[in-house]
Amino acid sequence: QKEVEQDPGPLSVPEGAIVSLNCTYSNSAFQYFMWYRQYSRKGPELLMYTYSSGNKEDGRFTAQVDKSSKYISLFIRDSQPSDSATYLCAMKYSGNTPLVFGKGTRLSVIA
Amino acid sequence: NAGVTQTPKFQVLKTGQSMTLQCAQDMNHNSMYWYRQDPGMGLRLIYYSASEGTTDKGEVPNGYNVSRLNKREFSLRLESAAPSQTSVYFCASVRGANTEAFFGQGTRLTVV
Repeated sequence: QKEVEQDPGPLSVPEGAIVSLNCTYSNSAFQYFMWYRQYSRKGPELLMYTYSSGNKEDGRFTAQVDKSSKYISLFIRDSQPSDSATYLCAMKYSGNTPLVFGKGTRLSVIA
Repeated sequence: NAGVTQTPKFQVLKTGQSMTLQCAQDMNHNSMYWYRQDPGMGLRLIYYSASEGTTDKGEVPNGYNVSRLNKREFSLRLESAAPSQTSVYFCASVRGANTEAFFGQGTRLTVV
C-alpha cells in the first residue's frame, strides 16, 4: 500500500461548482499536510499548509485534516477556469524529512 | 528573486550518455530535494540533502547520483542514461524542518 493515496481523476466540473479533492494516508506519524497546485508544464506551488486536525480557510480554498481517519481534503468554492490544474496532496513527518506526495488529481473547470 | 533555478529546461539524451542536472536556490534554504514526475505516478523522491554536506536516498535512487556542492547548489547526475529515466525532474528547497517546499520549473528529459 502506497503511503499516500490520491484519486488521479481527471475531474471535470462546471464553473461555479464546489470541488472536493481528497487523499488518504496510512502512517499516523505524518504531522504536516499540504496541498500543492501545478499548472501544465510548471513546478508545483504551495496552496495550503496545515498542522493537526481541523480546518484552514484561505479565500475560496478550505483545507481539512482528519487525523483519526487519516484523511485530508481540499475544497474549492465558486470554482473558476483558472483553477484548472493538477492538485497534489503532500505530507511530512516532523523534523527535517522530505515531503511524500500523492499522485495528483487533474481538475478542469469548464466555463 | 529567482527562487529555485533548474538548468537545462529541456534535454534529449541517447541511451548510455551521461549528464548533470543543475539546481540552485537563492533563499538560503538548508534542505534540497530531487523529485521525478511521471504520468500517473505523482512526484517520487530520488535523493535529498537535509543540510550542506549530507545526502540521502529517496524512493527511486537507482541510476542517479547527487552532489550538494554548497548550500545553494544541488546537482543530479545520470551516469548512463536509460529510456526508463525519461521524465520531468523537479528540484525543491526547504528553509527549515517543518516549512514548505519551493519548486523549480522542472527539466524535461527524454532518453532515446
